[in-house]
Amino acid sequence: QKEVEQNSGPLSVPEGAIASLNCTYSDRVSQSFFWYRQYSGKSPELIMSIYSNGDKEDGRFTAQLNKASQYVSLLIRDSQPSDSATYLCAVLTYGNNRLAFGKGNQVVVIP
Amino acid sequence: DVKVTQSSRYLVKRTGEKVFLECVQDMDHENMFWYRQDPGLGLRLIYFSYDVKMKEKGDIPEGYSVSREKKERFSLILESASTNQTSMYLCASSPPSGTSDEQYFGPGTRLTVT
Repeated sequence: QKEVEQNSGPLSVPEGAIASLNCTYSDRVSQSFFWYRQYSGKSPELIMSIYSNGDKEDGRFTAQLNKASQYVSLLIRDSQPSDSATYLCAVLTYGNNRLAFGKGNQVVVIP
Repeated sequence: DVKVTQSSRYLVKRTGEKVFLECVQDMDHENMFWYRQDPGLGLRLIYFSYDVKMKEKGDIPEGYSVSREKKERFSLILESASTNQTSMYLCASSPPSGTSDEQYFGPGTRLTVT
């Protein structure tokens, strides 16, 4: 089983709708969770970090963490065309200073 | 704001050349990382460093070496470039483990080996 999985194919959402992205991870001792946004041809940009169970909101972004079920999700409310990008999930495991990245989900916001 | 810079955005080299990719961060971060990113393969860790003169192999170190002589600078070296090393190379840095685990990326270097 891969460490971090983002299984959904490209996600198309109409402008103003909610985009929902999911990520599962295999290591139960994972401690820190991150979402990065990557525009085509650019480097990843950190947009959310979450460390404890529950929801964390930052502007139009909400990260949700459920350690018992080993998943972390990202919601983008009121999606804008500028949100069109690939979103990478990353997980840090306790005692390991390396991030494990998922392969990313592409989001396309349709005006 | 954390700033991570990389010496070149685009680089074209010939097979067999020795290639140096430089990365500098200005936030006094202990940890620095080199990744490559290829379509369909995602981000793959090449090498990382916890401190000056310290280095650890990542998942794909073959064909690469690194140097960290100063805390703010982490260099990736391709000893003899090959066409399969054509890729986007990304440097990242983060504070010490136990403070914030957030990694910040530089703009990337797109290397083409012909």
